[in-house]
Amino acid sequence: AQSVAQPEDQVNVAEGNPLTVKCTYSVSGNPYLFWYVQYPNRGLQFLLKYITGDNLVKGSYGFEAEFNKSQTSFHLKKPSALVSDSALYFCAVRSFTDKLIFGTGTRLQVFP
Amino acid sequence: GAVVSQHPSWVICKSGTSVKIECRSLDFQATTMFWYRQFPKQSLMLMATSNEGSKATYEQGVEKDKFLINHASLTLSTLTVTSAHPEDSSFYICSARAGRGSDQPQHFGDGTRLSIL
Repeated sequence: AQSVAQPEDQVNVAEGNPLTVKCTYSVSGNPYLFWYVQYPNRGLQFLLKYITGDNLVKGSYGFEAEFNKSQTSFHLKKPSALVSDSALYFCAVRSFTDKLIFGTGTRLQVFP
Repeated sequence: GAVVSQHPSWVICKSGTSVKIECRSLDFQATTMFWYRQFPKQSLMLMATSNEGSKATYEQGVEKDKFLINHASLTLSTLTVTSAHPEDSSFYICSARAGRGSDQPQHFGDGTRLSIL
């Protein structure tokens, strides 16, 4: 079965510190992986994707993600967190039926 | 680029009313649009996929006659919740994808919060 797991419901980090939001996936074949961010009462905003190529993918707002095939992970990272990064983050993988399967989301809270 | 406009943002109406939600891709042509439902503190649940000019494909458990989807052009899809009841209250989000390649990201509207009294 194809699935995405975000093991942390919430991640707390101090402003200026590096942040990591974890995501692991289970899919047959080569995965297409995506990260989205959702602010309150808003839709999802696309951050970055991995399709093929370099394992380190750079995206919007200074975020990046590292694809690790052996660990089936696609963790989202940022070197220095901002208070404005506080939001709900979703990892997603394309299913074999061409739909996006979303994780349950991780709430990131950045404290000043 | 890749802006998706969804409206209305909020709808409050009486039970039994039908509500139409519009989803427009403003600066690109969306071959495929998706409709999701999101419950509080939960992930997105795909309701249906619509391709321009063809019937929508509904996910298992989603009532076709309840949630009518029309994708009449490459920039517009509509979701009509027919005879809405309180249990239909939710946050509905649409997304649009340019082209047919599934490596393309979906771009999301800002959602519609539907409250049925």
